Amino acid sequence: EDQVTQSPEALRLQEGESSSLNCSYTVSGLRGLFWYRQDPGKGPEFLFTLYSAGEEKEKERLKATLTKKESFLHITAPKPEDSATYLCAVQAPGQAGTALIFGKGTTLSVSS
Amino acid sequence: EADIYQTPRYLVIGTGKKITLECSQTMGHDKMYWYQQDPGMELHLIHYSYGVNSTEKGDLSSESTVSRIRTEHFPLTLESARPSHTSQYLCASSESLEQFFGPGTRLTVL
Repeated sequence: EDQVTQSPEALRLQEGESSSLNCSYTVSGLRGLFWYRQDPGKGPEFLFTLYSAGEEKEKERLKATLTKKESFLHITAPKPEDSATYLCAVQAPGQAGTALIFGKGTTLSVSS
Repeated sequence: EADIYQTPRYLVIGTGKKITLECSQTMGHDKMYWYQQDPGMELHLIHYSYGVNSTEKGDLSSESTVSRIRTEHFPLTLESARPSHTSQYLCASSESLEQFFGPGTRLTVL
């Protein structure tokens, strides 16, 4: 069964304290792995798409990497405005309507 | 970035009422989706559409129905709302793999 597991569930950081979020997946024939940011009461905001192992994408303080079994979202010198829930999702052949399979997310809190 | 809109943003109604959640996108995307999200839980697909006059049920069983008469519009209807329908409903659209989400509708059924 296709599955996405994110860890940790919650992460508290001090401003400037770098860390990484993990997304482990089991899927047959990965088409793409996606990272989203979701603020409370809002819809997910698209961040990155990764297609194959070894690929990396960067945006401001965020860097996403992909291996054959997991993806990491590295946050360098985070600021309070980076506080949000970060969602990982995968798309695989055979999923209904090219739907995304989501993890439960990691809720990041950055304090100043 | 896709522009995708959902109304209402918040809705509190009584049991048995019929409701329609609206979703519109201005990017001309063929594919549209409805997901359901409960607090602390994953998003789950409840409906999707590949284009006009195309609608299918997703992996999560839902008592709601959808229609796709125009490319830009993908409304979701509950004929008789129940407390078990209380949830966050998220609409998304895509042209290729990346899906872009609307702000969501928070539905509470009393």
